[in-house]
Amino acid sequence: EIVLTQSPATLSLSPGERATLSCRASQSVSDYLVWYQQKPGQAPRLLIYDVSNRATGIPARFSGSGSGTDFTLTISSLEPEDFAVYYCQQRTNNWPLTFGGGTKVEIK
Amino acid sequence: EVQLLESGGGLVQSGGSLRLSCAASGFTFGSYAMSWVRQAPGKGLEWVLGIYGNGGGTYYTDSVKGRFSISRDNSKNTMYLQMNSLRAEDTAVYYCAKGGGLTTYYFDYWGQGTLVTVSS
Repeated sequence: EIVLTQSPATLSLSPGERATLSCRASQSVSDYLVWYQQKPGQAPRLLIYDVSNRATGIPARFSGSGSGTDFTLTISSLEPEDFAVYYCQQRTNNWPLTFGGGTKVEIK
Repeated sequence: EVQLLESGGGLVQSGGSLRLSCAASGFTFGSYAMSWVRQAPGKGLEWVLGIYGNGGGTYYTDSVKGRFSISRDNSKNTMYLQMNSLRAEDTAVYYCAKGGGLTTYYFDYWGQGTLVTVSS
């Protein structure tokens, strides 16, 4: 099983600041790394697929980068609606699919 | 508009069974992989099972092997999760999620979730 480790667990920032979230895989996932956002009481929302492709309707302030085992989700300037929990997921054929433990981005 | 509507959740005793359904609309159901993803109270996301768009491949996480099964009826635009021998640790919100392609497992649409509570 591929283990995804997200850091930090919690990120305390102010609106307008830049957020940098990390996801590290226990073995290479090639380019098959996905990011989701989840707000309390809601289903997850797809942000980025295959490292750097923004999903439909996702603002340009969200960007993804990385390869192999180290990946980053960057939010260039936090908007009030961006405070949420973010999960990474690997979608290789190395079953099971796995998610990281999440990073909570909270208002400082 | 893509919609996924889960049903069938509820309270069940340990060792019992439950069948969840996910009714899909707004897309060509048989052309997309589907999965069940769960989230225990206050915890993170856990992928549980997945099935290819044509039903040709099914995959699961080890903790549900031999207890849970996934199926789909493309003529009814519906996916199912049969859960047997339920345990307290299966308590979670179960989400139905649409894959990005026939065999592609990033999830671009999610249902609202259905809560399964297993009492011990």
